[in-house]
Amino acid sequence: GNSVTQMEGPVTLSEEAFLTINCTYTATGYPSLFWYVQYPGEGLQLLLKATKADDKGSNKGFEATYRKETTSFHLEKGSVQVSDSAVYFCALKHNQGGKLIFGQGTELSVKP
Amino acid sequence: EAGVTQFPSHSVIEKGQTVTLRCDPISGHDNLYWYRRVMGKEIKFLLHFVKESKQDESGMPNNRFLAERTGGTYSTLKVQPAELEDSGVYFCASSHQRGTTDTQYFGPGTRLTVL
Repeated sequence: GNSVTQMEGPVTLSEEAFLTINCTYTATGYPSLFWYVQYPGEGLQLLLKATKADDKGSNKGFEATYRKETTSFHLEKGSVQVSDSAVYFCALKHNQGGKLIFGQGTELSVKP
Repeated sequence: EAGVTQFPSHSVIEKGQTVTLRCDPISGHDNLYWYRRVMGKEIKFLLHFVKESKQDESGMPNNRFLAERTGGTYSTLKVQPAELEDSGVYFCASSHQRGTTDTQYFGPGTRLTVL
């Protein structure tokens, strides 16, 4: 079946460090891939998405590239800020049906 | 444009009691989804409405959970009777159209604690 696996957290970085959160997926067909973020005390927000192979989603300095050959959608940011501290969720949506399938979430803590 | 809203934000009940969660989707969104995150694990799909019809309820854990969306607007999720393992954060999301490219917008969630 379809599934998403994320690197386990928590991840603790110093401000301005480089961030990578790994995400791999298992799916039939050609799903769309998403990163959602949940800031403390808030709901889930869509951070970025990619709908086909080799697409790059980007937003707020974050990027992720849809790699079909490695079934991955790793999240990267060149220089993190304290305000990036949150829980990040990788997800896929199959072309059949509307539900999102999420990874377990990765908590990021950025220290000044 | 107002986002997805959920009520209550928190609910603490005792085992065996009944709780009803409410979700108001973004106006005009036909698709409404319920998800749940238990004990810091992954967010899991519960069910999907298209207007007032249940499109997919494959994620509903058991018959203690009842979801409705009368009139195709807001939705309620009732848990009766609640058990300890029902504790978690219940998210609602809505989207405008089907297909792979529609974006689901999430509400802030309802944190349910069953004692």
